[in-house]
Amino acid sequence: GESVGLHLPTLSVQEGDNSIINCAYSNSASDYFIWYKQESGKGPQFIIDIRSNMDKRQGQRVTVLLNKTVKHLSLQIAATQPGDSAVYFCAESLAGGTSYGKLTFGQGTILTVHP
Amino acid sequence: EPEVTQTPSHQVTQMGQEVILRCVPISNHLYFYWYRQILGQKVEFLVSFYNNEISEKSEIFDDQFSVERPDGSNFTLKIRSTKLEDSAMYFCASRRGRNEQFFGPGTRLTVL
Repeated sequence: GESVGLHLPTLSVQEGDNSIINCAYSNSASDYFIWYKQESGKGPQFIIDIRSNMDKRQGQRVTVLLNKTVKHLSLQIAATQPGDSAVYFCAESLAGGTSYGKLTFGQGTILTVHP
Repeated sequence: EPEVTQTPSHQVTQMGQEVILRCVPISNHLYFYWYRQILGQKVEFLVSFYNNEISEKSEIFDDQFSVERPDGSNFTLKIRSTKLEDSAMYFCASRRGRNEQFFGPGTRLTVL
């Protein structure tokens, strides 16, 4: 089962550095994966997604890598900026059936970017 | 840019009272969701709704919870008799098809 904790992993970086945030997902049947950014007091904001038939997808300053063999997802942020400071969640979803679209979120990682 | 809206932003209620949390999904979206997030924890799925019926619900979504799309634009979550442990942020989300879910800003529910 998934673990739920009050102490989120943290990552502190200097402005301009590259950041890598990791996530282990739980369901090998999941075929859609998303990274969300959540700023304090706000709802999750979509960053980038990837389907299970891909292992890499790039967006603007962000790259998502998917390793289905070990059920691992990572988010790379290039040239991290102070505005990137937030909690980052990975989420997984199943392809079909009644669970289609239901997102199962990971624990989250707090990213702090120092100027 | 279209967005999901939620009201109220903060709801304070007494234990045992009924609350209704309101959401206006993006207008051409077809799939609707409620999630909750207890302070400091991850976002948890509550229920999904499509074609005017519940598609799936989690163990959290017991008989005290219900959802409704009363008028084609609003999507509501009702908690009939609130408990202390219902205190959380409640997020509404919507999706058009096979793509991303858009989340609202959330309603903070405080049960005293």
